[in-house]
Amino acid sequence: DQQVKQNSPSLSVQEGRISILNCDYTNSMFDYFLWYKKYPAEGPTFLISISSIKDKNEDGRFTVFLNKSAKHLSLHIVPSQPGDSAVYFCAASSYMEYGNKLVFGAGTILRVKS
Amino acid sequence: EPEVTQTPSHQVTQMGQEVILRCVPISNHLYFYWYRQILGQKVEFLVSFYNNEISEKSEIFDDQFSVERPDGSNFTLKIRSTKLEDSAMYFCASSEGAGTGIPETQYFGPGTRLLVL
Repeated sequence: DQQVKQNSPSLSVQEGRISILNCDYTNSMFDYFLWYKKYPAEGPTFLISISSIKDKNEDGRFTVFLNKSAKHLSLHIVPSQPGDSAVYFCAASSYMEYGNKLVFGAGTILRVKS
Repeated sequence: EPEVTQTPSHQVTQMGQEVILRCVPISNHLYFYWYRQILGQKVEFLVSFYNNEISEKSEIFDDQFSVERPDGSNFTLKIRSTKLEDSAMYFCASSEGAGTGIPETQYFGPGTRLLVL
């Protein structure tokens, strides 16, 4: 099942710079997208979401951009901090097709160097 | 801040044994979920539960699995006869259940690591 893809397994960024995490999807029925952050041995922690009727949503240092025509979303973290080092998962849902089921990407490991 | 809790944090069991994983969803949430993550693989959906019944389930969620809301606070996942391939991290999640057709954010618990020997 490759409906949600995070093609970069890892990303390394200097503290204070921008982190950009990318996610692509194949199912045009997806209408709600979420980013979760996960530390080892913990559950996914919700970060930010975006509905398909928007192209941008911002919450503090986190901004998610959605490009529906390209079926692509990205998470920007500015400025990056060492505490942001974690695995970031992109997830998508389509109520019409799947109800409230979330489909996850494989995750991207972000390392923020101080 | 309200959070989803799960017990136990770790469970080791012998193949063929029954296990029950427990979750306490966020108190005013009405929609509950179980996901699992096998080591090195994606987080995958197992089942969702609303209004005391299963609303969706994946092909993974076969007859060996069941869910229950035994009281007003707990939500459980039972695996009747565990197999080696059931070894995974199991996550419970909940969402508000505001209404049908409205996308909802799901909030996850810390997980139960299940090891089947």
